[in-house]
Amino acid sequence: QKEVEQNSGPLSVPEGAIASLNCTYSDRGSQSFFWYRQYSGKSPELIMSIYSNGDKEDGRFTAQLNKASQYVSLLIRDSQPSDSATYLCAVNLILTGGGNKLTFGTGTQLKVEL
Amino acid sequence: DTEVTQTPKHLVMGMTNKKSLKCEQHMGHRAMYWYKQKAKKPPELMFVYSYEKLSINESVPSRFSPECPNSSLLNLHLHALQPEDSALYLCASSQEASGTDTQYFGPGTRLTVL
Repeated sequence: QKEVEQNSGPLSVPEGAIASLNCTYSDRGSQSFFWYRQYSGKSPELIMSIYSNGDKEDGRFTAQLNKASQYVSLLIRDSQPSDSATYLCAVNLILTGGGNKLTFGTGTQLKVEL
Repeated sequence: DTEVTQTPKHLVMGMTNKKSLKCEQHMGHRAMYWYKQKAKKPPELMFVYSYEKLSINESVPSRFSPECPNSSLLNLHLHALQPEDSALYLCASSQEASGTDTQYFGPGTRLTVL
């Protein structure tokens, strides 16, 4: 089982719709969860971080975390063509020998269509 | 300011060359990271420095040699690379190498090995 799993997509939504991106993770000890946006040929850009169960909203973005189900999601409201990118879910895994490692899912490609 | 800078932006090198990638941050972060990203794949962790000491080496071949001269700078020395090492090399930094701190990425160096 992969440590962090995402549907690779592409996920196509019309402009103005809500895009829903999902991620599951395997390590119950994970404490912190991140969503990064990556445009083609560019580096990952932080969109949201979430640490506690529930919802966290920032503008058009809402991150949702359910630790019992080992599930984290990102909702993008009023999707715009500029939101078209690959969205990477990242989970910080605590290593048995100490330290931690940010592990990424394979990313979901989002396409917002006019 | 959450800026991490990387130089050069692009690098083409032969298999017998020696080159270095540079990364700099002025956010007072004490943890710095090197990642490698192949096309359509997520970033893969290579090295972690915490308080200028190497804390994680993800079994990276010795042809990649990291160096952290001070808390703001991170280098990656390259020698005798293979064509399969061609990738986007990303530097990131975070406040600490803890389980919750957000990692901020630089723009990356696009490396091509001929």
